[in-house]
Amino acid sequence: KNEVEQSPQNLTAQEGEFITINCSYSVGISALHWLQQHPGGGIVSLFMLSSGKKKHGRLIATINIQEKHSSLHITASHPRDSAVYICAVIRGSQGNLIFGKGTKLSVKP
Amino acid sequence: KAGVTQTPRYLIKTRGQQVTLSCSPISGHRSVSWYQQTPGQGLQFLFEYFSETQRNKGNFPGRFSGRQFSNSRSEMNVSTLELGDSALYLCASSFTGETQYFGPGTRLLVL
Repeated sequence: KNEVEQSPQNLTAQEGEFITINCSYSVGISALHWLQQHPGGGIVSLFMLSSGKKKHGRLIATINIQEKHSSLHITASHPRDSAVYICAVIRGSQGNLIFGKGTKLSVKP
Repeated sequence: KAGVTQTPRYLIKTRGQQVTLSCSPISGHRSVSWYQQTPGQGLQFLFEYFSETQRNKGNFPGRFSGRQFSNSRSEMNVSTLELGDSALYLCASSFTGETQYFGPGTRLLVL
């Protein structure tokens, strides 16, 4: 079993829809990242969080440390949000990043 | 500020050869991490350097090595290349090792 699990693997939405991507992990962590990867490979770090909730524009990330679960929400989705979203955790004792397999999001106009 | 740069962007090698990839971090960043991305395994952590010292290491064989110079630039070396080493190699820099800024990657094809 992977230490970081994301769901769904693939997601197709219509423009304007509210989107949720989930991430569950099984190891102790010091922080969790949400990353966005566009076709061509470029990766952008969206959020790093260790507790609570963060918001940036139409993106919201939450984490529940007790339940070992994080969600990434996109409000009013747009075709330019189409990308792979990757959850990565910083393992608490070692500091290594462990990645989920990613969620491929496609937003149709 | 200029972003993280990686050279070369694309590389073709044959089995048994060795390769060196370069990463220049954002000015002022002292931490550089390297990652391998393949369709089958996804993203995997290779190692992290901070102030010229390897601070963390992932589960890769000794054929994968790296170093960091006093100007924070980092190189990654893979010796005795195997077909399975074909991947996108990404580096990321950060000031303290937390929020990371990724480079565009080097796409390596081993024939």
